[in-house]
Amino acid sequence: GDSVTQMEGPVTLSEEAFLTINCTYTATGYPSLFWYVQYPGEGLQLLLKATKADDKGSNKGFEATYRKETTSFHLEKGSVQVSDSAVYFCALSDHGSSNTGKLIFGQGTTLQVKP
Amino acid sequence: GAGVSQSPSNKVTEKGKDVELRCDPISGHTALYWYRQRLGQGLEFLIYFQGNSAPDKSGLPSDRFSAERTGESVSTLTIQRTQQEDSAVYLCASSLRGLNTEAFFGQGTRLTVV
Repeated sequence: GDSVTQMEGPVTLSEEAFLTINCTYTATGYPSLFWYVQYPGEGLQLLLKATKADDKGSNKGFEATYRKETTSFHLEKGSVQVSDSAVYFCALSDHGSSNTGKLIFGQGTTLQVKP
Repeated sequence: GAGVSQSPSNKVTEKGKDVELRCDPISGHTALYWYRQRLGQGLEFLIYFQGNSAPDKSGLPSDRFSAERTGESVSTLTIQRTQQEDSAVYLCASSLRGLNTEAFFGQGTRLTVV
């Protein structure tokens, strides 16, 4: 079945450091790919998405490119801030026969940014 | 309301008891999802509603779990005869119509079975 694998956390960075969180997926169809973020004490929020190969999603300085050849959707940010400390989830939604929009999530990566 | 609302936010129950978890989706959202997040793990899909029907129940872990949705609005997830392995955060999400539309999540219900 479809699955998503994220790099293990926690990831600890200093402010203004470069961030990469790796995400790879397995899917039988042509999925849409998402990054969700969960800030402390808050619900999951959509951070960015890409719906087809080579699309780049971006938001709040974060970017991720849908790479079909490597089945990856790595999250990057050039300069992290303390306020970026959160749990980040990679997810896919398959366009296959089920067509429900349900999301398959990775296990989440905790990011801690220190001043 | 402005967002997806779930209640209660926390629930502690004794093993063997039944529990009901409630989700109020964003008004007008026809698609509704339940997910479970066990400690240190990702979110597991449980069930999907389109309107009041549930075309995908494939994630419900056992027949102790059931869910319903009425009036294309409120949904209730019921767990009968709770077990300790049911302890988790249960998240509800809604979207306008499902595929390719953004899902908005509630803050979840933290269930602890003692």
